[in-house]
Amino acid sequence: EAQVTQNPRYLITVTGKKLTVTCSQNMNHEYMSWYRQDPGLGLRQIYYSMNVEVTDKGDVPEGYKVSRKEKRNFPLILESPSPNQTSLYFCASSSEFLNTEAFFGQGTRLTVV
Amino acid sequence: AQKITQTQPGMFVQEKEAVTLDCTYDTSDQSYGLFWYKQPSSGEMIFLIYQGSYDEQNATEGRYSLNFQKARKSANLVISASQLGDSAMYFCAMRESVYNFNKFYFGSGTKLNVKP
Repeated sequence: EAQVTQNPRYLITVTGKKLTVTCSQNMNHEYMSWYRQDPGLGLRQIYYSMNVEVTDKGDVPEGYKVSRKEKRNFPLILESPSPNQTSLYFCASSSEFLNTEAFFGQGTRLTVV
Repeated sequence: AQKITQTQPGMFVQEKEAVTLDCTYDTSDQSYGLFWYKQPSSGEMIFLIYQGSYDEQNATEGRYSLNFQKARKSANLVISASQLGDSAMYFCAMRESVYNFNKFYFGSGTKLNVKP
């Protein structure tokens, strides 16, 4: 089954404690992205990757890091989380073709206290 | 300027009636894609329907249709015969080329409530 798998689904952490949210896709997609969803703001892109070892900043990259060492995996790293990073996070993958949809992971609800 | 605008934060519709969710977009590209996603209360993002900028006919998928008006840059989602299970958040999205990357832009969403 084609899918994007994110873990964990829920996470409560304290300010400053480094965390990683994992993302893996099994569709051999070139493109992967991370988004955060906040009420009234929709989905905003944090980082994206066009291929292995190729990543770039999205619209809201501050406070986040990513890496793409393998095609299937695209982890999101919060080196020093802060309460304003409390949000719902989505990983998504897509082919490089304009007429194809993005496939989303199940989402990770992160709370930073 | 916002790439995708959804002006209806929330809407109500009676069960079995049709409803239109508005979406306007902003692009200077000739080639782009338009998408709608559904997000139920469980949180997952479900792809509903796609319309290409060169498609002359409006896209349809079951009870979903996309009313594409290119000159007005609008891509409204029409849900016919609403069901209780249609209660969800709906996001409009556009995909266009930015440098070498085909980027997605999402609207702020419309929360639809279907009343029995």
